[in-house]
Amino acid sequence: QKEVEQDPGPLSVPEGAIVSLNCTYSNSAFQYFMWYRQYSRKGPELLMYTYSSGNKEDGRFTAQVDKSSKYISLFIRDSQPSDSATYLCAMSSNSGGSNYKLTFGKGTLLTVNP
Amino acid sequence: GAVVSQHPSWVICKSGTSVKIECRSLDFQATTMFWYRQFPKQSLMLMATSNEGSKATYEQGVEKDKFLINHASLTLSTLTVTSAHPEDSSFYICSAKVRNNQPQHFGDGTRLSIL
Repeated sequence: QKEVEQDPGPLSVPEGAIVSLNCTYSNSAFQYFMWYRQYSRKGPELLMYTYSSGNKEDGRFTAQVDKSSKYISLFIRDSQPSDSATYLCAMSSNSGGSNYKLTFGKGTLLTVNP
Repeated sequence: GAVVSQHPSWVICKSGTSVKIECRSLDFQATTMFWYRQFPKQSLMLMATSNEGSKATYEQGVEKDKFLINHASLTLSTLTVTSAHPEDSSFYICSAKVRNNQPQHFGDGTRLSIL
């Protein structure tokens, strides 16, 4: 079992839809959870960074962390064509000498159609 | 804030040459910088972690002598691909962070093509 599982998609939605992206993980030591957006031929851009279980909202984006279920989500409201990109979940811890190195999901390719 | 600049964005060179890629944190001092490699339609693969003033820590399977990393200051790290060959062609991305428990901020990557 991989440490972080993320459905690669592709996911195609109409403009204005609510998008739900998810990752599950197996390592209970993960403490920090991130969502990055990566456009084609660009580096990842940090969207959300959370530490504890619960919700965090920033504009049209909401990140949810459920540590008991080892499950994280990213919701995008009122999706726009400019949201079309690959979304990567990432997580880290300081246990076992990992020194906060990021473990990424495979990324979900999202297309928002006008 | 938290801007990371990477240069060059694209480089094409002949087999056997060495290529240097720069990574700069523009508006913060980075205690740690990271170098990743990404193949098409795949996620990022960590190559090495570098801390200012000390030797880089390489991931298993990454050749230290081929991928030279220098972290000379709190705002600059360089990756030199020595004697590059076509199989080294890839998308190289750096990242930086302020403190251990803070998120990494990524540069825009360097597309390296070896002919």
